[in-house]
Amino acid sequence: SQQGEEDPQALSIQEGENATMNCSYKTSINNLQWYRQNSGRGLVHLILIRSNEREKHSGRLRVTLDTSKKSSSLLITASRAADTASYFCATERGNTPLVFGKGTRLSVIA
Amino acid sequence: DTAVSQTPKYLVTQMGNDKSIKCEQNLGHDTMYWYKQDSKKFLKIMFSYNNKELIINETVPNRFSPKSPDKAHLNLHINSLELGDSAVYFCASSQALGTGVEKLFFGSGTQLSVL
Repeated sequence: SQQGEEDPQALSIQEGENATMNCSYKTSINNLQWYRQNSGRGLVHLILIRSNEREKHSGRLRVTLDTSKKSSSLLITASRAADTASYFCATERGNTPLVFGKGTRLSVIA
Repeated sequence: DTAVSQTPKYLVTQMGNDKSIKCEQNLGHDTMYWYKQDSKKFLKIMFSYNNKELIINETVPNRFSPKSPDKAHLNLHINSLELGDSAVYFCASSQALGTGVEKLFFGSGTQLSVL
């Protein structure tokens, strides 16, 4: 069953701007992960945040997690054309495979 | 060195045919998966294998039969292909299911088109 829902479905920004994507989920989780998918390629893991963490950084990426609202956000700062891709959140709940959302399509215009 | 490799990348076939997709991982992971991504980019788990044993089968028609000869390989055989099977199929692997830090490594996908 689908767990995560990303918002917005599509986002178009200028190079240098920040991009924010949101993810909402329905049940309790162990961790939440964000993945990137370039066109015609497989998904690539970006960052994992555990349920007892509130914020995590990795380079230009910043992820927040609010378990009370069952939501997470991914912020990409100073975006580049190479950041153009689809971004998926995925949730882990114990002994079950990751459940992915439908993704946000990000277009960064040079 | 490709960590998770799947072949073929493209597969075009007629309805009713039987086809296989192969997957291999060289990461030493215990768990492998098949995911299906539809035209709307929705990614859905199909199967999960841990050390050659099936642990998850997400109500996939029995026309789909995964086979894991060893923990580094998970192949997908599809019988009597239907139009609705057209999608991109992704193989993935992770260290171990249920560790709480299950990060997936994906293959590059197999785009299946059933005509």
